[in-house]
Amino acid sequence: NAGVTQTPKFQVLKTGQSMTLQCAQDMNHNSMYWYRQDPGMGLRLIYYSASEGTTDKGEVPNGYNVSRLNKREFSLRLESAAPSQTSVYFCASSEVGAIGQGRDGYTFGSGTRLTVV
Amino acid sequence: QKEVEQDPGPLSVPEGAIVSLNCTYSNSAFQYFMWYRQYSRKGPELLMYTYSSGNKEDGRFTAQVDKSSKYISLFIRDSQPSDSATYLCAMSAWQAGTALIFGKGTTLSVSS
Repeated sequence: NAGVTQTPKFQVLKTGQSMTLQCAQDMNHNSMYWYRQDPGMGLRLIYYSASEGTTDKGEVPNGYNVSRLNKREFSLRLESAAPSQTSVYFCASSEVGAIGQGRDGYTFGSGTRLTVV
Repeated sequence: QKEVEQDPGPLSVPEGAIVSLNCTYSNSAFQYFMWYRQYSRKGPELLMYTYSSGNKEDGRFTAQVDKSSKYISLFIRDSQPSDSATYLCAMSAWQAGTALIFGKGTTLSVSS
C-alpha cells in the first residue's frame, strides 16, 4: 500500500548512543516532516523539509539532525541520545510545502517508539 | 501562550451521543484548519479539512471554523464505539514552506 514507511518500529538505546530513524514515502510528495509525540504535549515539530534539498528547524530541534536524502527519504539522527528523547517519533509527508494547496493534508507513518535508558 | 490550545480530556460519552471537540488559536494568519483522528498506537489520519471560516460536513462529522473568535470545532453525531480515539486539531497559515501546528489532542471514549 502507498504511504509513509518508518523503520524501526521500536528501539531501546542507552544514553549517549546514536541512531538514525528512517522514513520513506512513495506518494511523490514534495514535503516531509518529523514530529515527536509525548503524553500531554501533543505533536511537536522537530524538523521539516519543504522540498528536496531544503531542511528547516521546527519547534524542538535540539539534539537532532536530519537529512533529505532524495525526494522519497527523510532521516532523523540522534547523535547522543538522552532520556529526554524517549518519545514516539512520527514522520509525515505532504504534496506541497504550502499546506493550503495540500488538501489531502499530511500522511503519517505508523511511528517509531524510542526509549532511551 | 501556545499557538493552539486544545482540552486534552479525556471525554467519555455513551453510544449515540453528540460529541463536541474544540480548539482555540492565537495566530490570526491561520487559514487552513484540519482535524486528525489517531487510534491507539497508530499514526494520525486526516479526518476533516476546512479553509477559512464556515462549516463542512462529511457524514456524521461537521467541522466549524469561526475566525473572528479564533475557535474551531468538530461535531460527531450518533457517536459509535469505533469513534473512540484521540482527535487532534491542526492549522497553518498560507505561507510556502510552513508546517502544520497541532493541538495536544482530545481523547474520546464512546461506550456501548
